[in-house]
Amino acid sequence: DAGVIQSPRHEVTEMGQEVTLRCKPISGHDYLFWYRQTMMRGLELLIYFNNNVPIDDSGMPEDRFSAKMPNASFSTLKIQPSEPRDSAVYFCASSPYRVANTGELFFGEGSRLTVL
Amino acid sequence: GQSLEQPSEVTAVEGAIVQINCTYQTSGFYGLSWYQQHDGGAPTFLSYNALDGLEETGRFSSFLSRSDSYGYLLLQELQMKDSASYFCAPLGGSQGNLIFGKGTKLSVKP
Repeated sequence: DAGVIQSPRHEVTEMGQEVTLRCKPISGHDYLFWYRQTMMRGLELLIYFNNNVPIDDSGMPEDRFSAKMPNASFSTLKIQPSEPRDSAVYFCASSPYRVANTGELFFGEGSRLTVL
Repeated sequence: GQSLEQPSEVTAVEGAIVQINCTYQTSGFYGLSWYQQHDGGAPTFLSYNALDGLEETGRFSSFLSRSDSYGYLLLQELQMKDSASYFCAPLGGSQGNLIFGKGTKLSVKP
């Protein structure tokens, strides 16, 4: 079975441009998470969905960030306009169950974003 | 509030045993997970302790003491491929989600 699939793997853009990151979770997984990883702050939860509905977006840094999940097999994280401080690796992860039951998330390979 | 403490770096030699300690503070604690991440790779799940005690999975073991808000990951018979970052991740908050930090970078030397 395919794992979590993210695209693009690498993105270099200029400040002010719109960035869209994409994620396809593992089939049958009802929970989808977006994380951001930086050297300074480590791995931070941005937002998570259950059955395509956003449950907790308290980690989204500001209004420039938005996430959607139009169906069970696709989610996007959009940054508009992008800023250099948004440079990070963005991970998507999914789980078939509430994560508190098993402690296990399945991560994609990440999208490395560089904003110049 | 919530906090998470684990060493930033650990170095050990091949064949040795290393223990990575973790102390945490979080509301609504559900359990403690450990993840491994190689440079440039994705975090991968290693273990989950919901109850006090030791869980063993091959060369890796994880321990939890809920009363002490403390856990550790024990890696035995270290191999070069174990060089990676290791994250302790308590599950907490109202949603019981994973709380990661910066992790511990383990370097295994020949």
